[in-house]
Amino acid sequence: DIQMTQSPPSLSASVGDRVTISCRASQGIRNDLGWYQQKPGGAPKRLIYATSTLHNGVPPRFSGNGFGTEFTLTISNLQPEDFATYYCLQHHTYPWTFGQGTTVEIK
Amino acid sequence: QVQLVESGGGVVQTGRSLRLSCTASGYNFASYDIHWVRQAPGKGLEWVAIISRDGSEKFYAASVQGRFIISRDNSNNIVNLQMDNVRSEDTALYYCAKDGRWRRAAGATGNGMDAWGQGTRVAVSS
Repeated sequence: DIQMTQSPPSLSASVGDRVTISCRASQGIRNDLGWYQQKPGGAPKRLIYATSTLHNGVPPRFSGNGFGTEFTLTISNLQPEDFATYYCLQHHTYPWTFGQGTTVEIK
Repeated sequence: QVQLVESGGGVVQTGRSLRLSCTASGYNFASYDIHWVRQAPGKGLEWVAIISRDGSEKFYAASVQGRFIISRDNSNNIVNLQMDNVRSEDTALYYCAKDGRWRRAAGATGNGMDAWGQGTRVAVSS
């Protein structure tokens, strides 16, 4: 199975900051990588798929980058509603696998 | 709009069986794959299984292979997850989710889950 290693596990940031979350795949997955946001008590929501394609309605302050084994999610101008847990997901090879998650907390 | 509603969760004893259902509406059900994803209490997301739009392809996580069976009824817009020989580590909130790729070709990859249900809770007790 492809292992997804996400970092950092958590980070503290302020409104208006720019934050970057990383995800590394144990083998090449081309650009078959997505990012999901989950708030406490809620279901996950897709933000990005195919590394950099924004899901409908997702604001452009979210962006994704990478190819092969190294990927990033960047949130520019962090907003209060962005404080949540973020997961990467490789959708290249079954079984699909998620990263361990990164919790973005208010500083 | 797209809606996915899970049902069938509850408390089940170790080694017994449980069947979860996912009822979909608001889109052409037979054109999209469906996933199950679970989340143990206080833990991260774990992909569990997928069934292709026509039911011909099924894949499972290693942790459930041989114990869980996914199936679908395109006449009634339902996907089921039959959970047999459950273990304590199966305790989780189970989500069904729709894949975002329309009419995925066999052998091609989907592009992730673009819609999710609210989940149904499974607790395995000894």
